[in-house]
Amino acid sequence: NAGVTQTPKFRVLKTGQSMTLLCAQDMNHEYMYWYRQDPGMGLRLIHYSVGEGTTAKGEVPDGYNVSRLKKQNFLLGLESAAPSQTSVYFCASSFRDRGTEAFFGQGTRLTVV
Amino acid sequence: DAKTTQPTSMDCAEGRAANLPCNHSTISGNEYVYWYRQIHSQGPQYIIHGLKNNETNEMASLIITEDRKSSTLILPHATLRDTAVYYCIGPRGGGADGLTFGKGTHLIIQP
Repeated sequence: NAGVTQTPKFRVLKTGQSMTLLCAQDMNHEYMYWYRQDPGMGLRLIHYSVGEGTTAKGEVPDGYNVSRLKKQNFLLGLESAAPSQTSVYFCASSFRDRGTEAFFGQGTRLTVV
Repeated sequence: DAKTTQPTSMDCAEGRAANLPCNHSTISGNEYVYWYRQIHSQGPQYIIHGLKNNETNEMASLIITEDRKSSTLILPHATLRDTAVYYCIGPRGGGADGLTFGKGTHLIIQP
């Protein structure tokens, strides 16, 4: 049982390049989330999804797009990377029921130069 | 959004109970309080959550005041591996909207 798996774990991008971060969960969770964490800060919600084919904006959605074509996968895209997007990105998933725990991946460390 | 307030850092001796406080005066009556921790730069790890009653699991105990304005996470016998940042968090606006993370409490377990 892998839980929540993020790919890749590390990446260096040049300004203006694009990339996609993949999150996969094998727990049949309805809800999935993308967060970013900057040094010394808590996690901030970028986008989330309440089910296959649906997505919604979080606190800091600008510069990112997401897609959830399959229930188990949640993709985060950067169309034109900027240095301000240098961060550690965490994916999480949970059941839809209130009062249930969220499971987090191990993170993707992204550096934009 | 349910805002929480936690001390920036705390120390605790190994083998002693670590008591981490959290104020959440704006939490509404049907919102859960969740505790997660983050060890170094790993992904956050769920610890426990509660609504009104005190809760206990294999990792910790959660004591919630009757007015629900504050809570305390208790690690009964802290070990060096419990050194981490502990987050007391409430939901952003409902279960589907994700969790609202603050800066948490950096708990340092001293040998």
